[in-house]
Formats: sequence, structure tokens, C-alpha cells
Amino acid sequence: DAGVIQSPRHEVTEMGQEVTLRCKPISGHDYLFWYRQTMMRGLELLIYFNNNVPIDDSGMPEDRFSAKMPNASFSTLKIQPSEPRDSAVYFCASRQTGMNTEAFFGQGTRLTVV
Amino acid sequence: AQSVSQHNHHVILSEAASLELGCNYSYGGTVNLFWYVQYPGQHLQLLLKYFSGDPLVKGIKGFEAEFIKSKFSFNLRKPSVQWSDTAEYFCAVNAFYGQNFVFGPGTRLSVLP
Repeated sequence: DAGVIQSPRHEVTEMGQEVTLRCKPISGHDYLFWYRQTMMRGLELLIYFNNNVPIDDSGMPEDRFSAKMPNASFSTLKIQPSEPRDSAVYFCASRQTGMNTEAFFGQGTRLTVV
Repeated sequence: AQSVSQHNHHVILSEAASLELGCNYSYGGTVNLFWYVQYPGQHLQLLLKYFSGDPLVKGIKGFEAEFIKSKFSFNLRKPSVQWSDTAEYFCAVNAFYGQNFVFGPGTRLSVLP
């Protein structure tokens, strides 16, 4: 398996624009997590899904953020409108159901909002 | 709610020095414990994990960690660090039968050649 795949790797956008980040989890994994990493706040969980259903979105900072998982192999994180303070690295991770399983991370998307 | 604390924000060592990074968690039940490493500009990778059994677990690249249940700790160790160990290290907890991973704030390790 190619691992968790995220796209794009880098995104530079102007304030006010819509940004969509994409993630393909590892095949067979039924949990998908979206994290945001900044110097100030470290690694924050934004939302996670189980079997394509959002389970906990309490980490989503504002209504400007939304996430979907239309099927088991694809998820998006959308920011509309984007703001400079959204600049961060966004990681997607996936995990298989089970008592003893770890999360596998994608390479991340570095978002810069100017 | 679970939480994870890491003792040091930034550790600076010379090559060949010994390393110990502290991690404590707060959760009363059974947990799974992890250390992840993030090399500069890269994603998080699993270094080692504890699920059950021997509380001393060995991971990749000569790292090991010891789970001390009574202290709610899972400290990471390496007897002799290398320059290539320069990275950020994250401790994480997953409650047994739980779904989410809770990460600590991370410890940045700088190894001087």
C-alpha cells in the first residue's frame, strides 16, 4: 500500500479564497483523522471519521472549516473563506479498527494563506 | 478526558549522549501508548508502541520506552544519540477500545555533531 496520500503537498492562497485539502486513507482503514500542526498550538485534532461518518468535530475551529468523507477512500477538508491564521501543516491519518492498532500519517499539506 | 504532557519542549544534546524524553498521561483506564517521530519537513512516523505485556518496548533505530503504570509514564530512551536523530518526538495515548489518539505537545531534539 502507498500509505496515506494527501494532496496538494503545498498550497499558497490569498485570504478569502476557498481551499480544499484531500486525503486518501490506507485501504481497509475505517478511521480517518484530520490534524493541524502549528508552532503555537502543536498538533491539534480537528475531526475524525469512522466508516465515513464524522464522530467528533469538536476540534474544528470555526464554521469556515468543513470536512467530508463521501466514501471509504476519500476525504476533504475545506476552508472557506481562508484567513492568514489558517496557515499550518494539515495532516491526515488513518487507522484500522482494532484494539492494538496505530495511526498512519500522510505527508501533510503545508497551507500558506497570504 | 485524556491528556498527555511531555516534560521538555526542546532538548539539545551532543552526539553519543544518552537521551531520555519524559511523557506522562492522564487516564485511569487501560491505554495503548505510542511514540512518533517527525523529522524536519516530514510527516509523523511511528517509533514504537506499547499495547500489553513487557513494559519495556523496543522500537526502531535503537529507541526504547518503558511503561510505568503506577506513574502514568512512558518515557523514551536511547543510549547514544546520533545527529540523524534530530527531530520532534511526540508521545500519544489511545484509550483501550478508544478511537482517538491524544498527542502530547512534542519535544524537539537537536543533536549537535
